[in-house]
Amino acid sequence: DTGVSQNPRHKITKRGQNVTFRCDPISEHNRLYWYRQTLGQGPEFLTYFQNEAQLEKSRLLSDRFSAERPKGSFSTLEIQRTEQGDSAMYLCASSPDRTQETQYFGPGTRLLVL
Amino acid sequence: TQLLEQSPQFLSIQEGENLTVYCNSSSVFSSLQWYRQEPGEGPVLLVTVVTGGEVKKLKRLTFQFGDARKDSSLHITAAQPGDTGLYLCAAHRGKTSYDKVIFGPGTSLSVIP
Repeated sequence: DTGVSQNPRHKITKRGQNVTFRCDPISEHNRLYWYRQTLGQGPEFLTYFQNEAQLEKSRLLSDRFSAERPKGSFSTLEIQRTEQGDSAMYLCASSPDRTQETQYFGPGTRLLVL
Repeated sequence: TQLLEQSPQFLSIQEGENLTVYCNSSSVFSSLQWYRQEPGEGPVLLVTVVTGGEVKKLKRLTFQFGDARKDSSLHITAAQPGDTGLYLCAAHRGKTSYDKVIFGPGTSLSVIP
């Protein structure tokens, strides 16, 4: 399978705990995006990487959220001191340089904060 | 405020029926994408439309981009249970700023056998 992969697929945690999600993009894609999706809504942009550089961050990305892409390949999204409002599906997408509009999504990580 | 509006929000139809869902905005977009998302999965790209008035067909699905590039429609002919899912439209307002990628809230389609 050469698509975008995300791990874990599901995560249940208690309020106040830290969680980390991983995204492996399509291998030749330089651009990587993180989105958050809540029930009944479309995905909301969180942040974007061009290779290892984090170029855009949404206002939605509070200081409890941090994303990295240290070698320009896989990326991690960490949420510190989770809150119940963080419960959502976290989606990763990647795209090649030449087609900036076309993003290929992973299956997502569904987070439930109790 | 949703910059992209989709209608209807929910749609339940019988297998074999035709349907149209809409994506509307007051903004002009450089391109617009349609995705289908199944429960527990990420969105899967169906089509990208770029030119005003453009019509693209994907088997039983017909996509149209409005002349003014502010709206789009998706028409499904002879719907099948496998068409069930959340249909999302997404758009870019510019060509260089990636936080301008916005998604609509989606149309949840259920096709009953």
